Amino acid sequence: AQSVTQLGSHVSVSEGALVLLRCNYSSSVPPYLFWYVQYPNQGLQLLLKYTTGATLVKGINGFEAEFKKSETSFHLTKPSAHMSDAAEYFCAVSESSGGSNYKLTFGKGTLLTVNP
Amino acid sequence: NAGVMQNPRHLVRRRGQEARLRCSPMKGHSHVYWYRQLPEEGLKFMVYLQKENIIDESGMPKERFSAEFPKEGPSILRIQQVVRGDSAAYFCASSPLPGRQPQHFGDGTRLSIL
Repeated sequence: AQSVTQLGSHVSVSEGALVLLRCNYSSSVPPYLFWYVQYPNQGLQLLLKYTTGATLVKGINGFEAEFKKSETSFHLTKPSAHMSDAAEYFCAVSESSGGSNYKLTFGKGTLLTVNP
Repeated sequence: NAGVMQNPRHLVRRRGQEARLRCSPMKGHSHVYWYRQLPEEGLKFMVYLQKENIIDESGMPKERFSAEFPKEGPSILRIQQVVRGDSAAYFCASSPLPGRQPQHFGDGTRLSIL
């Protein structure tokens, strides 16, 4: 069984400050890991994904995340927050192989607010 | 825009009525997934369908909920005799191959039960 824990349901930063959103996962098989962003009343947009290979992955809008197997973490960062980054962020995991590799398991989300 | 299309965007029903949610996958995608998002919760997997087949409905409540993806037309998530607890956002996602990530999401249907 897989699970995702996002530490902090609400993170508030100042414009220009570092953004750090935390995600820890558990998976019995090598995982695929994802970060999605959700703006109000919209669907989920993929920010970035880790499947195999390089553990530091870069996504859209200046975000990046690092897969750390030893820590079972996939934290999302951005060096300098912009007002337009205010949204809810979801970390998700799926199996990389096996019969249920289509099934995404999501964390509860972290609401990011950016203060001017 | 050839993205995943869901309609209606908002749906209001009274308790006991039926709700039908529609999802047209991205062009070229024949695998559809439905997720439910309850308030202040992440998305929870409900069901995975291919054309004319339900592959995995392990996340779907056993009663009142059903899903289909006919040979022609959109996928339908149907909720009979709705109750207040069915109020949620329902998202559809699609992919071109089974298990192929990432899944592409629609904008969801917000279901409100009066």
